[in-house]
Amino acid sequence: RKEVEQDPGPFNVPEGATVAFNCTYSNSASQSFFWYRQDCRKEPKLLMSVYSSGNEDGRFTAQLNRASQYISLLIRDSKLSDSATYLCVVYTSGYSTLTFGKGTMLLVSP
Amino acid sequence: DAMVIQNPRYQVTQFGKPVTLSCSQTLNHNVMYWYQQKSSQAPKLLFHYYDKDFNNEADTPDNFQSRRPNTSFCFLDIRSPGLGDAAMYLCATSRLSGKDTQYFGPGTRLTVL
Repeated sequence: RKEVEQDPGPFNVPEGATVAFNCTYSNSASQSFFWYRQDCRKEPKLLMSVYSSGNEDGRFTAQLNRASQYISLLIRDSKLSDSATYLCVVYTSGYSTLTFGKGTMLLVSP
Repeated sequence: DAMVIQNPRYQVTQFGKPVTLSCSQTLNHNVMYWYQQKSSQAPKLLFHYYDKDFNNEADTPDNFQSRRPNTSFCFLDIRSPGLGDAAMYLCATSRLSGKDTQYFGPGTRLTVL
């Protein structure tokens, strides 16, 4: 079983739409969770950390469900500039580094 | 104000010809990482350093070596590149430990002819 699984997409949405991505992780000992964004042929950059209580940053909302071992990212009022690949990233104690998912591609069209 | 710098940005080498990729950071971070990323795949960790302490991933081929001569610099040496080694190589840093935010350089895209 893959450690971090994501739907690769692409998710094609019009500007202004709301879109949600899910990610599942296999190790119940995982303790820290993040969403990174990667633009085409660029490096990954931290979008936001994911906290147990859920957290919001502008149009972006991240949620964590430990019981079901999944993380979600909700993007409201999509912009053209949101087009990118969104990487789900997990830190598991004992592994000493982050584990990246393959990413979900989002394409926002006019 | 680049914080993690990689050189060169594009590298073309011939099959079997050794190549060295470099990474430098101005963040004074303790941890440095090398990842390999192929198209539509997750970044794959090759190795990382906690300060001078080298950590090799179990499935990193022997063909890949690394050096960290000081806090700021880290090198990736590919001794005999094969066609399957063509990829984007990403360097990253984090402040103190593996769970801290990672800051990536722009990557070096390696082509093997």
